[in-house]
Amino acid sequence: QVQLVESGGDVVQPGRSLRVSCAASGFTFSDYSMHWVRQAPGKGLEWVAVISPDGSSKYYADSVKARFIISRDNSKSTLYLQMNSLRPDDTALYSCARTPWATHFFESWGQGTLVTVSS
Amino acid sequence: QSALTQPASVSGSPGQSITISCTGSSSDVGSYNLVAWYQQHPGKAPKLMIYDEVKRPSGVSNRFSGSKSGNTASLTISGLQAEDEADYYCCSYSGTSAYVFGGGTKVSVL
Repeated sequence: QVQLVESGGDVVQPGRSLRVSCAASGFTFSDYSMHWVRQAPGKGLEWVAVISPDGSSKYYADSVKARFIISRDNSKSTLYLQMNSLRPDDTALYSCARTPWATHFFESWGQGTLVTVSS
Repeated sequence: QSALTQPASVSGSPGQSITISCTGSSSDVGSYNLVAWYQQHPGKAPKLMIYDEVKRPSGVSNRFSGSKSGNTASLTISGLQAEDEADYYCCSYSGTSAYVFGGGTKVSVL
């Protein structure tokens, strides 16, 4: 069955960097657009970024543009989010989600990995 | 990318119907037939309940239905059950491969 497993969350100081990963299994990873969505503790969902199936197109929310970089390795069925210049308001559970090609909904989600930005 | 507006909470008795609204703008909800609804139980990953405004994924109860009028989308849950108690989020495509979520609605079954 479809599995999305995030890892790499940690406690980091403001201004530092962190990379989180999402390992996919149970489906052909290279057929799907992939997203990162975050949820601050006790708050709602916020879309962060999307990458096309072949990795050639990437789009970001204004709140993370120029600081975060989404990437993927289709040979490893793994999605990444490189987070730079982290701020306290980036503290959240970061989840990956898949979107079938040419659609605009998040069909499957991972359980998330917690990133805490604090001094 | 302003968040869509949802009521903070909605409640109903078992068997009743409730409707959750999701108000956006002509840049998102009003421009595209691409609103989705997600159910999230505490500590769990969100689950897709409605997509493309009115479509139900396989396996989702037909008690859940979606609609839209102008810049406002709605999710209706009919025959409310205890298991429906959860947070519900709307999400709209907003152009240029970007997406915007609503603030979430807590549904309580009285």
